[in-house]
Amino acid sequence: GQNIDQPTEMTATEGAIVQINCTYQTSGFNGLFWYQQHAGEAPTFLSYNVLDGLEEKGRFSSFLSRSKGYSYLLLKELQMKDSASYLCATRWGGNKLTFGTGTQLKVEL
Amino acid sequence: GAGVSQSPSNKVTEKGKDVELRCDPISGHTALYWYRQRLGQGLEFLIYFQGNSAPDKSGLPSDRFSAERTGESVSTLTIQRTQQEDSAVYLCASSPGQPGVVFGPGTRLTVL
Repeated sequence: GQNIDQPTEMTATEGAIVQINCTYQTSGFNGLFWYQQHAGEAPTFLSYNVLDGLEEKGRFSSFLSRSKGYSYLLLKELQMKDSASYLCATRWGGNKLTFGTGTQLKVEL
Repeated sequence: GAGVSQSPSNKVTEKGKDVELRCDPISGHTALYWYRQRLGQGLEFLIYFQGNSAPDKSGLPSDRFSAERTGESVSTLTIQRTQQEDSAVYLCASSPGQPGVVFGPGTRLTVL
């Protein structure tokens, strides 16, 4: 399997920037995803990285370093609605997806 | 369909009964996944179907759990002799084989 580690909880202020880190086992790695999950809802796709570097999509950016087995999700101009769980997931062994336990982000005024 | 659908949305059952959960993937999606999410926990991989290949059952927690999928259509997850520890949200997701797995709304299972 893929050991995926990410912080359990983070708190940030509205309007600020927050970075959520994720580390994973590199063996068999074939892509990294970030998903957002609001309480009581299904996860929704945010980003996908398969090559090293930064992928930017509006207020959200995701970075990948394959050699280090490391990714981060960067959220800018935080809004209250960004309070959610952020799930890091790796694809390996073809198309199999393994998820981390998620980082619960709380955005405060 | 437009998205992944699951039924029922909620299921309450008594300990020891069997339950069957259904997933309708997006048409044309070759890959289908089942995950379990206990309250406040992450997603636990259960099983993965890819086209007509043999499914990856490595995540099924016990022999009480089984899943089927016919071709690239509907999948059913069956839990026999349910236990209270089986209470969770069961999420189905499908993928066309390219990045971007799409999740269904889940089935919330409560075992009394």
